Amino acid sequence: AQSVSQHNHHVILSEAASLELGCNYSYGGTVNLFWYVQYPGQHLQLLLKYFSGDPLVKGIKGFEAEFIKSKFSFNLRKPSVQWSDTAEYFCAVLKNRDDKIIFGKGTRLHILP
Amino acid sequence: DVKVTQSSRYLVKRTGEKVFLECVQDMDHENMFWYRQDPGLGLRLIYFSYDVKMKEKGDIPEGYSVSREKKERFSLILESASTNQTSMYLCASSVRGQPQHFGDGTRLSIL
Repeated sequence: AQSVSQHNHHVILSEAASLELGCNYSYGGTVNLFWYVQYPGQHLQLLLKYFSGDPLVKGIKGFEAEFIKSKFSFNLRKPSVQWSDTAEYFCAVLKNRDDKIIFGKGTRLHILP
Repeated sequence: DVKVTQSSRYLVKRTGEKVFLECVQDMDHENMFWYRQDPGLGLRLIYFSYDVKMKEKGDIPEGYSVSREKKERFSLILESASTNQTSMYLCASSVRGQPQHFGDGTRLSIL
């Protein structure tokens, strides 16, 4: 069955630390990849997306992600985190065949001031 | 900007009640989705719809039904609410092949 695995359920970092959140998916067909973010008390919003082309994609608020097809991975990175990045992050795969999105279980990120 | 509006942020109901959760989107999107979000389980798809009067089961449809009489509106129905349906419910909409846009969610408590 298709799935999305996020490596860490809970990450705690200090401000200015570098961030990398791992994501692997299992689906052999054509996929589009996303990272969503959910700030406390807010709705899920799109952080960045990959459809095709340059495998290094840049999103809002200084986030970027790299698609490595051979590893079925789409890791999220940020060189220097801020307290306002405290949120839950979801990796997601859109299966082009049926337009359904499969979400990972999420990673809760806490940034210490 | 896409707006997905869920009728209630918080809702408290009793077991056995029939519960309606409403969702409206304003961007003429073909696709609409209902998820529930539980800690440690991420988002799980309950039902989705590609068009008016059309519905497809997601991964956890048991105990739920949906209605899509108009393109902009997608309703989730709990036929007979049970305590294990206490959760955060998220509605989303999308254009085919594009990311989904989410509403603010309805936190439903079944007593």
